[in-house]
Amino acid sequence: QQPVQSPQAVILREGEDAVINCSSSKALYSVHWYRQKHGEAPVFLMILLKGGEQKGHEKISASFNEKKQQSSLYLTASQLSYSGTYFCGTVKLNDMRFGAGTRLTVKP
Amino acid sequence: ETGVTQSPTHLIKTRGQQVTLRCSSQSGHNTVSWYQQALGQGPQFIFQYYREEENGRGNFPPRFSGLQFPNYSSELNVNALELDDSALYLCASIFSRGSLNTGELFFGEGSRLTVL
Repeated sequence: QQPVQSPQAVILREGEDAVINCSSSKALYSVHWYRQKHGEAPVFLMILLKGGEQKGHEKISASFNEKKQQSSLYLTASQLSYSGTYFCGTVKLNDMRFGAGTRLTVKP
Repeated sequence: ETGVTQSPTHLIKTRGQQVTLRCSSQSGHNTVSWYQQALGQGPQFIFQYYREEENGRGNFPPRFSGLQFPNYSSELNVNALELDDSALYLCASIFSRGSLNTGELFFGEGSRLTVL
């Protein structure tokens, strides 16, 4: 079962903050976050494993609540380059499931 | 630049035909996974290969099959194409410590398949 992302879309002005949520009905062992720009391949942002965040990227950070089976991606002081579709992916054994994505648009 | 290349970038097939898509992974990446991404959707996991053996599979029928080769390349084969198979097919290479996937995925640019 794929994770559920919210919101589906968000529009920001440069410098504003955003939060993207990812929740799963099943226990999470790790959560991946990727960004995909139109016509391009998804690009890795970070992995969160049980027990904490493994990696950050620019002004983007994330949290992982194992008990609530949720992860949130935080984008602070957004830049035009942050525009794209953000996907969370959850892994159990070797089965990777991606959410439907959150389309983020940053305007000048 | 992820170091992962896919071919062809675009192709058109007709219903019932067969297609082979290719992927060249980063050197040293012992794991490759394949995904189907329909327009406006997230990537859907097809299967994963570790050291030339399939070790994970999503909800795709057997007409989706694959191979991984010792030179870090791999193939996705789809038989008896259906209209709903039209999508972007992505491969991703991973360096895995052991057979469990805990590493970041390096995606290729994808092969866009259109089935008429």
